[in-house]
Amino acid sequence: GQQLNQSPQSMFIQEGEDVSMNCTSSSIFNTWLWYKQDPGEGPVLLIALYKAGELTSNGRLTAQFGITRKDSFLNISASIPSDVGIYFCAGPFPNRDDKIIFGKGTRLHILP
Amino acid sequence: DAGVIQSPRHEVTEMGQEVTLRCKPISGHDYLFWYRQTMMRGLELLIYFNNNVPIDDSGMPEDRFSAKMPNASFSTLKIQPSEPRDSAVYFCASSSPGQGAGQPQHFGDGTRLSIL
Repeated sequence: GQQLNQSPQSMFIQEGEDVSMNCTSSSIFNTWLWYKQDPGEGPVLLIALYKAGELTSNGRLTAQFGITRKDSFLNISASIPSDVGIYFCAGPFPNRDDKIIFGKGTRLHILP
Repeated sequence: DAGVIQSPRHEVTEMGQEVTLRCKPISGHDYLFWYRQTMMRGLELLIYFNNNVPIDDSGMPEDRFSAKMPNASFSTLKIQPSEPRDSAVYFCASSSPGQGAGQPQHFGDGTRLSIL
């Protein structure tokens, strides 16, 4: 079935470092969504991408919709402690505007 | 603005008991989703509603699970009888139509369910 593969599964970085993570699919996606989940809370939408090649920023976060439409990337610059959490990519099922699939997430840990 | 509200936040119960999880979506949102999150399987969509009508329940694991949405501001997810393997965090999310493919969903803070 439809799957989104996220990598890496987890990351351990020092505060201040930049972070890169990606998400790939075996199928073409028309929308890519990036969510963040803080411990003990539900996922919160960070960035939505609707066009191949699109590059969108939200503060220190930048996400890109891959040209092939089968991948997306999320970068975080100058990481801070509150960036800790799980980052999920998501996209709609083929031919379904109302139902989305989530990747398994990238867990970000920041070392003191 | 009030977000998606779920109750209870935590539930611990014994195997075989009935469990009812509750959700109040964001006012005006037409879609309501129930998800289950575990370490092994990640976030899984169980069922979703549009205008209070169940659209797709293909993710419901088995007949022990049922969901209802009696009105636009309330939904329940029921497990009867509960089993230890049902232990997970259950999320409710809502969204509104109109933004095209993959409109963003707004999540509640979840119910952490432990079946002993």
